[in-house]
Amino acid sequence: DAGVIQSPRHEVTEMGQEVTLRCKPISGHDYLFWYRQTMMRGLELLIYFNNNVPIDDSGMPEDRFSAKMPNASFSTLKIQPSEPRDSAVYFCASRGGKNEQYFGPGTRLTVT
Amino acid sequence: EDQVTQSPEALRLQEGESSSLNCSYTVSGLRGLFWYRQDPGKGPEFLFTLYSAGEEKEKERLKATLTKKESFLHITAPKPEDSATYLCAVQEPNSGYALNFGKGTSLLVTP
Repeated sequence: DAGVIQSPRHEVTEMGQEVTLRCKPISGHDYLFWYRQTMMRGLELLIYFNNNVPIDDSGMPEDRFSAKMPNASFSTLKIQPSEPRDSAVYFCASRGGKNEQYFGPGTRLTVT
Repeated sequence: EDQVTQSPEALRLQEGESSSLNCSYTVSGLRGLFWYRQDPGKGPEFLFTLYSAGEEKEKERLKATLTKKESFLHITAPKPEDSATYLCAVQEPNSGYALNFGKGTSLLVTP
């Protein structure tokens, strides 16, 4: 299995622009999580899905952030408009039946 | 107040010098406690899950243990390739399967 796939690996954008991050979970996993990692706050949960349905989005910082999972093999995290404080590494993780979350390589976002 | 606290923040060991990393938690219930390893520029890599006090799991030079309030990751005779950040996370019964992470311990093992 290829593991969790994320794209792009790096994104540099200007303040105010829309950013879309993409994730392909491990095949057969029914949970998908989006996390954000910064030096100050560590790794924080943003939102997670079960069978493509959002379960808990309480970690989404504000309305500028939105996430979708149109099918079992694809999810997006969108930031519109982006701000410099959104600069971080964004990780996607998926979980199967063994209660083990497997993380993707992350997307490093820089907003200037 | 952080619910998951890891100590020390950073640790430097000589190759072969055994030590332990600590993860203390203050959540009201525990569904599971997880250990991950993270190398620079990469995503966290799953190591262990512990579910009940007294449980232990081992993998190569690593052994994880769990009590009612903390977990230890013991590193026996570490090698330079064990250098990484080690993350601890808790999973609570009322938070689905989401993980609440500590800030990690950065381990450097020198030859």
